[in-house]
Amino acid sequence: SQQGEEDPQALSIQEGENATMNCSYKTSINNLQWYRQNSGRGLVHLILIRSNEREKHSGRLRVTLDTSKKSSSLLITASRAADTASYFCATDVASGSRLTFGEGTQLTVNP
Amino acid sequence: NAGVTQTPKFQVLKTGQSMTLQCAQDMNHNSMYWYRQDPGMGLRLIYYSASEGTTDKGEVPNGYNVSRLNKREFSLRLESAAPSQTSVYFCASAPSGIYTEAFFGQGTRLTVV
Repeated sequence: SQQGEEDPQALSIQEGENATMNCSYKTSINNLQWYRQNSGRGLVHLILIRSNEREKHSGRLRVTLDTSKKSSSLLITASRAADTASYFCATDVASGSRLTFGEGTQLTVNP
Repeated sequence: NAGVTQTPKFQVLKTGQSMTLQCAQDMNHNSMYWYRQDPGMGLRLIYYSASEGTTDKGEVPNGYNVSRLNKREFSLRLESAAPSQTSVYFCASAPSGIYTEAFFGQGTRLTVV
């Protein structure tokens, strides 16, 4: 079964609003990563948070990690139509040799 | 800088045919991966290679074989294609270490009829 599960499965918002996506996982991790996938394309890395970190920022992205609850959230502030994509969390569960993905959140930002 | 290159981009096979999906990276990465992506299922790991000369099974290895030909290339072979293998296949590579990101190819869309 998938290591990570994203919530919600789909999210539709207006341009300028914030978008929050959540990820839960099952086993201990070294790090948690978020990726973005535009329709018909490969995945692109957004941000990595280490297991000993609680929050990380990159531009309009803010990621939090709660290892006690085995969960993470990705916040995209001031969303744009160009942010429309699928977003996946991925966990690194064993010495960096396996990267396991969740099922993704489909984000639609309406202009 | 090409990154991760997959060939072919599209392929249609008949049930029972065989084919090899090619993947090459030019970033000198040790780790390479093959995933399949089905609608609503996210990405599932088929096989991975932590370094040249080693390969390991992922979540869904049945029906597939892999070869880590050298540090640059990691191929995925379907010996006898089945309709259940209709999917989009992604190759990825990553440097060694536990705090590294993966780089993905553009995918191969495979249809088995």
